[in-house]
Amino acid sequence: AQSVTQLDSHVSVSEGTPVLLRCNYSSSYSPSLFWYVQHPNKGLQLLLKYTSAATLVKGINGFEAEFKKSETSFHLTKPSAHMSDAAEYFCVVIFTGGGNKLTFGTGTQLKVEL
Amino acid sequence: EAGVAQSPRYKIIEKRQSVAFWCNPISGHATLYWYQQILGQGPKLLIQFQNNGVVDDSQLPKDRFSAERLKGVDSTLKIQPAKLEDSAVYLCASSTTTVSYEQYFGPGTRLTVT
Repeated sequence: AQSVTQLDSHVSVSEGTPVLLRCNYSSSYSPSLFWYVQHPNKGLQLLLKYTSAATLVKGINGFEAEFKKSETSFHLTKPSAHMSDAAEYFCVVIFTGGGNKLTFGTGTQLKVEL
Repeated sequence: EAGVAQSPRYKIIEKRQSVAFWCNPISGHATLYWYQQILGQGPKLLIQFQNNGVVDDSQLPKDRFSAERLKGVDSTLKIQPAKLEDSAVYLCASSTTTVSYEQYFGPGTRLTVT
């Protein structure tokens, strides 16, 4: 069965320290992978995308993610967290044979402390 | 560029009542989506329109939910009668036909069924 799993429901970091949000997928084929971010009272926004080009993908606001086929992972990272990064982050997958249907993970709430 | 508009932002109703949500997508976006986001979960696609035709409504509870997109622009989603488990945020999104993984989301309508 095809699925996407976000391993942490909540992550808390100090401002200026690295961010790591984990995402694993289960699929027989290489899917298309995305990260979306949802700030309070704002709509979901595409952060970055992997569609079978370079495995290290850079997104907006200094975020990047690396596609690792051997580990079936697509973790989101940022070298230095900023207060404005506090939001909910969703790992999103388009599975092969699913048309263009987005399948969302359950989300990771990122908290950034001073 | 104006974003995806949704109204109302909040709605409280009693079970067995009916409710309707409205969405106006980004101008020129042919594809429109309605998602249901239950607290603690990722958004789940309810229905996808391409212009004014339905592309995917496989996860729409058709005994109580209905949606239409007359004239291929704005759309309404209706629930009749509402159940307690329908309490959720209802998100509308739109995209171009060619880049459908990059969806632009509205702020959502938070529905509480008591």
